[in-house]
Amino acid sequence: AQSVTQLGSHVSVSEGALVLLRCNYSSSVPPYLFWYVQYPNQGLQLLLKYTSAATLVKGINGFEAEFKKSETSFHLTKPSAHMSDAAEYFCAVKNSGYALNFGKGTSLLVTP
Amino acid sequence: SQTIHQWPATLVQPVGSPLSLECTVEGTSNPNLYWYRQAAGRGLQLLFYSVGIGQISSEVPQNLSASRPQDRQFILSSKKLLLSDSGFYLCASSGVDPNEKLFFGSGTQLSVL
Repeated sequence: AQSVTQLGSHVSVSEGALVLLRCNYSSSVPPYLFWYVQYPNQGLQLLLKYTSAATLVKGINGFEAEFKKSETSFHLTKPSAHMSDAAEYFCAVKNSGYALNFGKGTSLLVTP
Repeated sequence: SQTIHQWPATLVQPVGSPLSLECTVEGTSNPNLYWYRQAAGRGLQLLFYSVGIGQISSEVPQNLSASRPQDRQFILSSKKLLLSDSGFYLCASSGVDPNEKLFFGSGTQLSVL
């Protein structure tokens, strides 16, 4: 079954620094891959989605992710972190059916 | 876009008591509906999904059940809560295509004591 692994349950960056959140997937067929963000006490919002149209996917709030089949990775990046980016980030994978399999999440802390 | 209404926001229940969480959807018709549970440090686990009224599929065996009495209403229930039922419960919806984005409600934090 398809799954994702998010490396690092907590990541801390300084305001203005590069954000890199890692996600590796396991799938026997080309997957759909997603990044969602969750702000405190809220539901999840879609940041971006990979559907094989392009390997570099641009999302909302300046985030982007690159699909690398050779590395089975879909890391999330942002060139310059803002304080408002502090949140929980989830990578998710889907093949067929209805189940979207989420990673355990990475908590991003942005320091002044 | 779709809006998911979910209540209550927080709930504290004793072990052995019943549970009923309700979710309603606005802005779409005939959505796919989902219940997820988020336990600390364990990501989100899909509990149930529904592709239509009265149609419920369970992803994992558990102490919970789900019902869809109306097109845009999804209910999560339990007859007797267990300590292990504690967690953050999220209702979500999508269009007919399950590969499209999910819209999430704001969640219910359930504490079973």
